[in-house]
Amino acid sequence: AQKVTQAQTEISVVEKEDVTLDCVYETRDTTYYLFWYKQPPSGELVFLIRRNSFDEQNEISGRYSWNFQKSTSSFNFTITASQVVDSAVYFCALANTGFQKLVFGTGTRLLVSP
Amino acid sequence: EAGVTQSPTHLIKTRGQQATLRCSPISGHTSVYWYQQALGLGLQFLLWYDEGEERNRGNFPPRFSGRQFPNYSSELNVNALELEDSALYLCASSRGFGGNTIYFGEGSWLTVV
Repeated sequence: AQKVTQAQTEISVVEKEDVTLDCVYETRDTTYYLFWYKQPPSGELVFLIRRNSFDEQNEISGRYSWNFQKSTSSFNFTITASQVVDSAVYFCALANTGFQKLVFGTGTRLLVSP
Repeated sequence: EAGVTQSPTHLIKTRGQQATLRCSPISGHTSVYWYQQALGLGLQFLLWYDEGEERNRGNFPPRFSGRQFPNYSSELNVNALELEDSALYLCASSRGFGGNTIYFGEGSWLTVV
């Protein structure tokens, strides 16, 4: 069975602090895909990144960076120099190639205060 | 390029009634997905349609049903509404399947009173 665990329910930081959101996954598939989505109060899930299981390169996009480690089944997300606009719920998700069903973690609520 | 669009944004129904939610995928996307986000229950997979056929279904009762039209748009029907059906219903689309990125719409808020 597939499972995604986001152990951090809520994180509060002050603007300009760096913050890392943890994601641990479980799957028996050798080929799978990992995603991060951002959900602002409006409700829409905004796609942030997609990573294939066979590509362990870390990725940086502006203030965002992702650390994928198959050895620990983790796909952590770091926001550098956080801003108030980063306040949202962040979801990590896992999908295999067969059923095309995203399995979501429970989400981490990030509160960035000025 | 327009994103995934959903209607209505908000819907209030009485217990026992039927609700219909609609979704238009991103142009060129053939797969449409429905997810339910109920308070305290997280994001739960409901249905997946591709090329007009239901490909996969989550653990929901048969009163949750839907379809995909030839233009790839989709609708979700919820019959015999119950109070616990109150949730945000998110539609998503992708270009085929097999690990392609899934993009979500803004959702439809369904309230059952």
